[in-house]
This record gives sequence, structure tokens and C-alpha cells, in this order.
Amino acid sequence: DSGVTQTPKHLITATGQRVTLRCSPRSGDLSVYWYQQSLDQGLQFLIQYYNGEERAKGNILERFSAQQFPDLHSELNLSPLELGDSALYFCASSVGPSGQAYFGPGTRLTVT
Amino acid sequence: GIQVEQSPPDLILQEGANSTLRCNFSDSVNNLQWFHQNPWGQLINLFYIPSGTKQNGRLSATTVATERYSLLYISSSQTTDSGVYFCAVRRNQAGTALIFGKGTTLSVSS
Repeated sequence: DSGVTQTPKHLITATGQRVTLRCSPRSGDLSVYWYQQSLDQGLQFLIQYYNGEERAKGNILERFSAQQFPDLHSELNLSPLELGDSALYFCASSVGPSGQAYFGPGTRLTVT
Repeated sequence: GIQVEQSPPDLILQEGANSTLRCNFSDSVNNLQWFHQNPWGQLINLFYIPSGTKQNGRLSATTVATERYSLLYISSSQTTDSGVYFCAVRRNQAGTALIFGKGTTLSVSS
């Protein structure tokens, strides 16, 4: 158990819908990262927050948005969903902006 | 951005065999991590090793930062070692993220 929690574990929804994925970092970690893992694209970095501020941005689509709240948990919103958004979404956290990252168990999203 | 290349892409072993996985990267880094993704999809931290050598049981890793590569050694492999092994690196520059290689898929049979 890495100490990073993600909810929900599984999500099945339809195209055009909106979903929110939630992540709670390890106690004491200020940085949160989001990654998408699909079969054809591997593990892709989406976005990083550090202490509430956006720190780095990767291949995050305009249909996706994220934020880190004052209590340091983070949410990733995806809307409107497309079939290609089906993937495993990981959250990770680290103490500082560039230290060792620990990954949560992931949320498996299936878009039908 | 930084390029991360892992080799070999696939590896098939008999239980008890040893193996070496390689990770090459294209720029100087301040973070290098090895992960094992098990068949259930979990990403398990193996090593945080931006430089030097570390050992943890049957696994060890070495990073030669000046030559931009890292090696992961698995000795006396077991069926539970099966899965995908990822190397991830972060460039030594503010505002950059941990970037993953495509992984090495290891299958260990009894």
C-alpha cells in the first residue's frame, strides 16, 4: 500500500458523460500527479500540482480539467467523454515538486 | 522532451534464471525510478535511484547518470516477478514531470 488513495476503483459510463476521479495523496505529500495508461499510448503524464498550484502540464486534453484543493486532495474531471478515454488513470504524490513519486491503485474507466 | 528507451521489450524466463533490464535516457535527470506493474495493474515502487547502486533482496539497480542509463537486475526469478517493469525519469529542470519508458514485459514460467 503506497498510501495514495484513489476513488472510484472502477467506473463504467457512456460517451458524452462527465466523470470526476478523486485522489488523496500520502500524508505530508504536497505534490500530486495524474497519469493515463491506455493500451496504445503507455503511461502518459497529464498534469502535476504542487501545494495547490499547477506545476507541470503534459498531454492533458482540453476536455479534461484538474485541480488540487486546500486539503491537498486532487480531482480530475473528464467531460465530455469519448470512447478513447477508456484507460487506467493513476494518481501519484511526492513530498516535494520533484522527489520520489508513489502511485495509487488507479481508477479503471470504461466508456461505452 | 526527454526520451526514455527500455530494453528488451519482452523477456521470457524460466524460474530461477537471472535477468538484466536496461533503461537509456536522453538528458540529465534528477529523478529515476523503477516500477513493477503487476498483473492486477498496480504500480509498485522498486527503486528511487537517480545515481548509484541499490539492492533490495533479489533485485538490485544501478544508475550511471553521466552515461545516461540505468540497469535493473533480477536474480533467481520467480513467477511472481512476472509483469511489466517501467523506468521513469525526470529532467533536471523545474516544471518537468516524471516520464515513463514503454516498459519491459517479463514472463516467468515454472
